Amino acid sequence: AQSVAQPEDQVNVAEGNPLTVKCTYSVSGNPYLFWYVQYPNRGLQFLLKYITGDNLVKGSYGFEAEFNKSQTSFHLKKPSALVSDSALYFCAVRDRYKLSFGAGTTVTVRA
Amino acid sequence: GAVVSQHPSRVICKSGTSVKIECRSLDFQATTMFWYRQFPKKSLMLMATSNEGSKATYEQGVEKDKFLINHASLTLSTLTVTSAHPEDSSFYICSARRGEDLTAYEQYFGPGTRLTVT
Repeated sequence: AQSVAQPEDQVNVAEGNPLTVKCTYSVSGNPYLFWYVQYPNRGLQFLLKYITGDNLVKGSYGFEAEFNKSQTSFHLKKPSALVSDSALYFCAVRDRYKLSFGAGTTVTVRA
Repeated sequence: GAVVSQHPSRVICKSGTSVKIECRSLDFQATTMFWYRQFPKKSLMLMATSNEGSKATYEQGVEKDKFLINHASLTLSTLTVTSAHPEDSSFYICSARRGEDLTAYEQYFGPGTRLTVT
């Protein structure tokens, strides 16, 4: 089965600093990878995806992710974090007809 | 585009009663919808996959007689929690995948429904 792992439960950064949320994957074949964000008591919002092509994927709200095949990673990045980026972030991988999600990383951006 | 709605957003029901949650794709057709359950600050647990016009596919350990899923049209799927118990209290989220593009694996999520069983 395809799976992703998010090694950090929590990431804390100061506003204006770079933000990185880590994700590693384990797949057979080509990975289809996704990042979603969830605000309190809300559903998930799609940020970006990697299917094929450029290793650097740009997404919504200034986020980007870098696909690294040799390290089997798909880390989410934002050059300058905002307080409003504080939320729960999920990495996901296509697993047959469905998505398999990581455990989630809570991001807190302090003013 | 790709907006998914859920109704209700919050519901409180008594033990032993049933409650229905609706999931609608507002601006696209969804041949496939998914139902998830999420515990506080935890990841999403896929409960079942709902295909329009056919029976839902339930994940292992999910009781199909307790969580009834109906996907009667290309824009509507419903989840009915039957004979609810306090342990069914949770945040239920649906998602939908566009029907016309078989390579569009991303799912679009509804805002979730908070169920509290007293």
